[in-house]
Amino acid sequence: DVKVTQSSRYLVKRTGEKVFLECVQDMDHENMFWYRQDPGLGLRLIYFSYDVKMKEKGDIPEGYSVSREKKERFSLILESASTNQTSMYLCASSQAGTGLYEQYFGPGTRLTVT
Amino acid sequence: SQQGEEDPQALSIQEGENATMNCSYKTSINNLQWYRQNSGRGLVHLILIRSNEREKHSGRLRVTLDTSKKSSSLLITASRAADTASYFCATESMDSNYQLIWGAGTKLIIKP
Repeated sequence: DVKVTQSSRYLVKRTGEKVFLECVQDMDHENMFWYRQDPGLGLRLIYFSYDVKMKEKGDIPEGYSVSREKKERFSLILESASTNQTSMYLCASSQAGTGLYEQYFGPGTRLTVT
Repeated sequence: SQQGEEDPQALSIQEGENATMNCSYKTSINNLQWYRQNSGRGLVHLILIRSNEREKHSGRLRVTLDTSKKSSSLLITASRAADTASYFCATESMDSNYQLIWGAGTKLIIKP
């Protein structure tokens, strides 16, 4: 079974703090993704990575950065957390190939910024 | 950018009935996927249908795709309480560059 794990299920941070969300997959997938999910808006792509050290901006990259130093690990960084970044964050991975493969999701991190 | 739009936003039916959810999208696609999300198992892939396919089955699930109308439907037959979840369609458009574009989802409630 593919497993995607995320470092925290729930996280509470203060405005201005630097926040790290980590994601690890165990299936040697080339592609990894970070989404945020808000009610009524579905999933919106923040960043994705198709190889180690490679990244592409998604639809809403502002206020976020990412790091992929190892194939199995993809980190999302909020440089200076703001209240409008309160959301559910989902990490996913998939095999290489343009959308022909399903994405496997982690359980999500519910981040609250106060 | 939100490509897929599910309809209805919410659906409540009796256990044993069939549930139908629809997804409309805007641009030409390579494929369309349906996912389910519930609190217990997170977001899980259900089925993928390619743009040259019209219908696909998986157990109690039936997905249709009409590229001329830019729409898809997901039918769940003989619903069970465990089918209570939110269902999302996600499309890969022809110029997507790895990305899936997601709809806002349909919340399905199965009443015992």
